[in-house]
Amino acid sequence: RKEVEQDPGPFNVPEGATVAFNCTYSNSASQSFFWYRQDCRKEPKLLMSVYSSGNEDGRFTAQLNRASQYISLLIRDSKLSDSATYLCVVNIKAHDMRFGAGTRLTVKP
Amino acid sequence: EAQVTQNPRYLITVTGKKLTVTCSQNMNHEYMSWYRQDPGLGLRQIYYSMNVEVTDKGDVPEGYKVSRKEKRNFPLILESPSPNQTSLYFCASSFSVRYSPLHFGNGTRLTVT
Repeated sequence: RKEVEQDPGPFNVPEGATVAFNCTYSNSASQSFFWYRQDCRKEPKLLMSVYSSGNEDGRFTAQLNRASQYISLLIRDSKLSDSATYLCVVNIKAHDMRFGAGTRLTVKP
Repeated sequence: EAQVTQNPRYLITVTGKKLTVTCSQNMNHEYMSWYRQDPGLGLRQIYYSMNVEVTDKGDVPEGYKVSRKEKRNFPLILESPSPNQTSLYFCASSFSVRYSPLHFGNGTRLTVT
């Protein structure tokens, strides 16, 4: 089993749609969790950290479920500019950040 | 502006010709790391450094060297590049890798012919 797994997609949605991504992790001792956005051939950029209580930033909501060992990202009212690859990142131990393979999202007019 | 700076952005070289990719951060971060990204394989860690003079291997260290003589700099060295090292490379840093997010440089696209 991979340490961090994501549905690779692709997800093709119309503008205005709501889309959700999930990411599972294998190490129950993982301490910190993040969602990154990566545009083609560019560096990953932090979208949001994921906190135990869940957190929201505008149209984006992130949640953590420690019991089931997954994190989620919900995007409401999708925009064309949301088209990108979304990476979940989990700190599985002291020095070790693990990346999911990424979920590709395309928002269409 | 807080940032991680990598150079060069693009590099084409030939097999066996030593090269160095530089990485510098101005955020006083203790943790720095190098990754390579290949289609279908995602981001894989090459080397990381927890602090000055402390470096360790990641998942794919073969063919690479690093050094951390100063806190801000973490160069990646390819002593004898080979075509299988053709890839997109990212340097990243973090205040505390346990709890803080990684900040990435804008990448170096390396082609070895």
